[in-house]
Amino acid sequence: EVQLVESGGGLVQPGGSLRLSCAASGFTFINYGMTWVRQAPGRGLECVASISGSGDTAYYGDSVKGRFTISRDNSKNTLYLQMNSLRAEDTAIYYCGKTAPYYLDCWGQGTLVTVSS
Amino acid sequence: EIVMTQSPATLSVSPGERATLSCRASQSVSSKLAWYQQRRGQAPRLLMYGVSTRASGTPARFSGSGSGTEFTLTISSLQSEDFAVYYCQQYNNWPRTFGQGTKVEIK
Repeated sequence: EVQLVESGGGLVQPGGSLRLSCAASGFTFINYGMTWVRQAPGRGLECVASISGSGDTAYYGDSVKGRFTISRDNSKNTLYLQMNSLRAEDTAIYYCGKTAPYYLDCWGQGTLVTVSS
Repeated sequence: EIVMTQSPATLSVSPGERATLSCRASQSVSSKLAWYQQRRGQAPRLLMYGVSTRASGTPARFSGSGSGTEFTLTISSLQSEDFAVYYCQQYNNWPRTFGQGTKVEIK
């Protein structure tokens, strides 16, 4: 059974940093791209970043480019999102998703990030 | 960026009735269109991809159609578990973009 479990969310001050993790199991991790999608409270879905299976190609949404970095450790079956220079508008639930190969065929339950002073 | 526009924002339907949800792209996305269902308090889950291919576990009462810029998700006979928010997503271009969602509520 495919499982994705996010962690690392919490309360952070504006300008601060946070690193999210997504532990994957139940599939051959290196064979799949992975994506972070966020959902602000009461709002819709936004693709934040995607990374290829090998980790050599990454894409970012315009709203996070230059501030967020997606990465993966295929030896640990884990996806990461390093978030720097956080803003109030980054407050959201962050979901990781298995990308097969372009749409998300499995989602984690999400981790809440709150940016507030 | 391709803008995805869904209509209506809210659809009020009685159980057993048919629901038709629309999704329009600001430019052609070919057949690179997926639909997701999000129940209250849950993560989204994949319903359809490639416009009309049902994902594993998606009941046959869900069907998708369209191409280019106009797409439709139809639920032939609404069941209680179908009352949820539905999102379309294009994956033809980066950034992948979602519509704003259609909420299907009980009439």
